[in-house]
Amino acid sequence: GEDVEQSLFLSVREGDSSVINCTYTDSSSTYLYWYKQEPGAGLQLLTYIFSNMDMKQDQRLTVLLNKKDKHLSLRIADTQTGDSAIYFCAESGNQFYFGTGTSLTVIP
Amino acid sequence: DAGVIQSPRHEVTEMGQEVTLRCKPISGHDYLFWYRQTMMRGLELLIYFNNNVPIDDSGMPEDRFSAKMPNASFSTLKIQPSEPRDSAVYFCASSARPGGYTFGSGTRLTVV
Repeated sequence: GEDVEQSLFLSVREGDSSVINCTYTDSSSTYLYWYKQEPGAGLQLLTYIFSNMDMKQDQRLTVLLNKKDKHLSLRIADTQTGDSAIYFCAESGNQFYFGTGTSLTVIP
Repeated sequence: DAGVIQSPRHEVTEMGQEVTLRCKPISGHDYLFWYRQTMMRGLELLIYFNNNVPIDDSGMPEDRFSAKMPNASFSTLKIQPSEPRDSAVYFCASSARPGGYTFGSGTRLTVV
């Protein structure tokens, strides 16, 4: 299968910005996604970006896509304690692959 | 819409017993996926259906696992016989197209 890689852990202070990074390998990906998983819950679609876009902003969320380097990032501005969760990136090309997930801890 | 509904939320069973997990996808979604999540292996795609037809079951661990989708509103994942290493959270997800999934809340399976 394809590799979608993420750092496992990230800690930030409340009010700071969080940046979660993801690298993927499938150059045929048409959409790239960010999902959030809170404890004991399923994955919730946060946002997605079409592969011909470089950036997408949605309130506190900014998605950046570097297609040349196959690098995707999610920036959360003014991070809150409620943002503590596991964040998964995912790509949709010939197949659909989830990353390993990044556990974000927000320190009050 | 109530979203993707899975049952039961928790299941504890003894090794060797049969386990059946259930999923009701969102109405109108043509794709249905079964995932398994563990700390060690992360999210693994087990099988997915398109229009009730199994498309890719290469992620099903072994013959002990089977999945069916008898109609557009219901799917089951069965493990027979269950083993302790099957303990995980099993998610069902549905989508109108690959990618934009809506996940259920999952079934936490513990096999003792």
